[in-house]
Amino acid sequence: AQSVTQLGSHVSVSEGALVLLRCNYSSSVPPYLFWYVQYPNQGLQLLLKYTSAATLVKGINGFEAEFKKSETSFHLTKPSAHMSDAAEYFCAVSGGQAGTALIFGKGTTLSVSS
Amino acid sequence: DGGITQSPKYLFRKEGQNVTLSCEQNLNHDAMYWYRQDPGQGLRLIYYSQIVNDFQKGDIAEGYSVSREKKESFPLTVTSAQKNPTAFYLCASSRPYPGEKLFFGSGTQLSVL
Repeated sequence: AQSVTQLGSHVSVSEGALVLLRCNYSSSVPPYLFWYVQYPNQGLQLLLKYTSAATLVKGINGFEAEFKKSETSFHLTKPSAHMSDAAEYFCAVSGGQAGTALIFGKGTTLSVSS
Repeated sequence: DGGITQSPKYLFRKEGQNVTLSCEQNLNHDAMYWYRQDPGQGLRLIYYSQIVNDFQKGDIAEGYSVSREKKESFPLTVTSAQKNPTAFYLCASSRPYPGEKLFFGSGTQLSVL
């Protein structure tokens, strides 16, 4: 069974500051890990995904995440926050079977102030 | 453009009424999914289907029903047995390979009158 825990339901940063959103996972099989972003009243858009090819994964809009097996973590970072980054972010995990549904964390809302 | 279309965007349900949320995709994906989103709860899986004419219950299937008669379509019915249906409902689809990303529709907000 898989599960995801996102630490911090709300993160606030200033424009230009480092963004760090935390995600820890639990999985009985080598996991596939994802970060999605959701803007108000919209669906989810994929930021990046980890599939074991490389531990540091680069995504869209300057985001990246590092897979650390020893810490069972997959934290999302961005060196410099923009106002347009304000949104809700979800970490998700799936196992190795085809067509397996993603298991999502409860989400972290990112606020960016000027 | 290929994608997933959910309709309607807003839906209101009266007490004792069944309502159906539509989800159509033209991505030629085999797998389709329904999630429910409540504030602070993340996304919870209602039902998923890996192939036409087959579907499986997710974590919160009680009070919901689905059908998968066509590859492109995966409608969700919220029945009167679902006592707390107010939520944002998201449909998604994916290719049938391990670790595939999900493509999401823009969602349907269901409210109770």
